[in-house]
Amino acid sequence: AQKITQTQPGMFVQEKEAVTLDCTYDTSDPSYGLFWYKQPSSGEMIFLIYQGSYDQQNATEGRYSLNFQKARKSANLVISASQLGDSAMYFCAMREVSGNQFYFGTGTSLTVIP
Amino acid sequence: DVKVTQSSRYLVKRTGEKVFLECVQDMDHENMFWYRQDPGLGLRLIYFSYDVKMKEKGDIPEGYSVSREKKERFSLILESASTNQTSMYLCASSLGGYNSPLHFGNGTRLTVT
Repeated sequence: AQKITQTQPGMFVQEKEAVTLDCTYDTSDPSYGLFWYKQPSSGEMIFLIYQGSYDQQNATEGRYSLNFQKARKSANLVISASQLGDSAMYFCAMREVSGNQFYFGTGTSLTVIP
Repeated sequence: DVKVTQSSRYLVKRTGEKVFLECVQDMDHENMFWYRQDPGLGLRLIYFSYDVKMKEKGDIPEGYSVSREKKERFSLILESASTNQTSMYLCASSLGGYNSPLHFGNGTRLTVT
């Protein structure tokens, strides 16, 4: 079974609007971390935000927030007030307490329309 | 800030050549990783290392080997390059622990002709 599932291959959003990128995960570990990365067309992978499995509050970093629903095993990324520079691939990832590996989804391509 | 440096941004090699991709990190991270990224397939783990001289196979180790003689340096070796190894290669490092993020280098786009 896939550890990380991103079901939206491509998304479009109007500039200044908010957008939600979906991510569901599968683990039986009691402790795990969830991460989101941005990959612009230049290719570098940029770490955006982290959510721990025991965190009571949703993580926020500037315009990025993580909608964490533990019972549903979902960790959706919300980008508020979209900017043209937000156009990129976005990857969701998970790391379990039981190992060193990171598991990545296949990514969502976000295009911000002026 | 963590800096992960990959030795080449673009590389063109011929089929059958031995290819070395070098990666250096400056934050004393225990864990280092090599990924391959292809369109539609996402990131696939080739090898990772959790300590000097230690390595573990990832999802697609065939045709690759790695070397970690010093903590800061993790090398990916293509013993005999083939055209199906044309890809983007990403190196990353992290501390141990499930709450530590990966820090990536800028990637090496390898073309094997």
